[in-house]
Amino acid sequence: GQQVQQSPASLVLQEGENAELQCNFSSTATQLQWFYQSPGGSLVSLLSNPSGTKHTGRLTSTTVTKERRSSLHISSSQTTDSGTYLCAIEYTNTGKLTFGDGTVLTVKP
Amino acid sequence: EAAVTQSPRNKVTVTGGNVTLSCRQTNSHNYMYWYRQDTGHGLRLIHYSYGAGNLQIGDVPDGYKATRTTQEDFFLLLELASPSQTSLYFCASSGLGSQNTLYFGAGTRLSVL
Repeated sequence: GQQVQQSPASLVLQEGENAELQCNFSSTATQLQWFYQSPGGSLVSLLSNPSGTKHTGRLTSTTVTKERRSSLHISSSQTTDSGTYLCAIEYTNTGKLTFGDGTVLTVKP
Repeated sequence: EAAVTQSPRNKVTVTGGNVTLSCRQTNSHNYMYWYRQDTGHGLRLIHYSYGAGNLQIGDVPDGYKATRTTQEDFFLLLELASPSQTSLYFCASSGLGSQNTLYFGAGTRLSVL
């Protein structure tokens, strides 16, 4: 079936370092969203970026649609950025998102 | 900020038991979703709905029923619970499907013994 592959599976950084998370998908995406899941389990949407580059705060997402990949860059990481980052794709206009397994980010002080 | 409330937050049942998970959103969103999340994995879609009385099948529907009674309320039913359904369940809502931001509830942790 249609898949969403995220890499790396886990990442450990020192506070202040930058993080680069990758999302690859298996077919043309009509929507792509990045989510953050806290260590406690709560989920929040970070940004929606089906194509091009978007910025919000310390986050930058770049999606190259024809290459079926997206990245999430976190600049100047903080310990509070620790958690799991999930990429989700909508392959058709059904309103249905398929999630990747996530990247677990640990930022050490 | 959109509000999505799930209940109960934790539930323990036995194999063969009957469980209903509830979700209510108070932002007049059309779309509602039920996902499950298992350790080390992302979210998998069980069922979703784009309005009262509507039900769409997700990617892992076996063993689950769902019902959207009103625009606000979406229920997930496990009529013969099995240990394989032990999981963390999330409800979410959005205005116009995945073109809009998804807002998630806090999750329900279900254990089937």
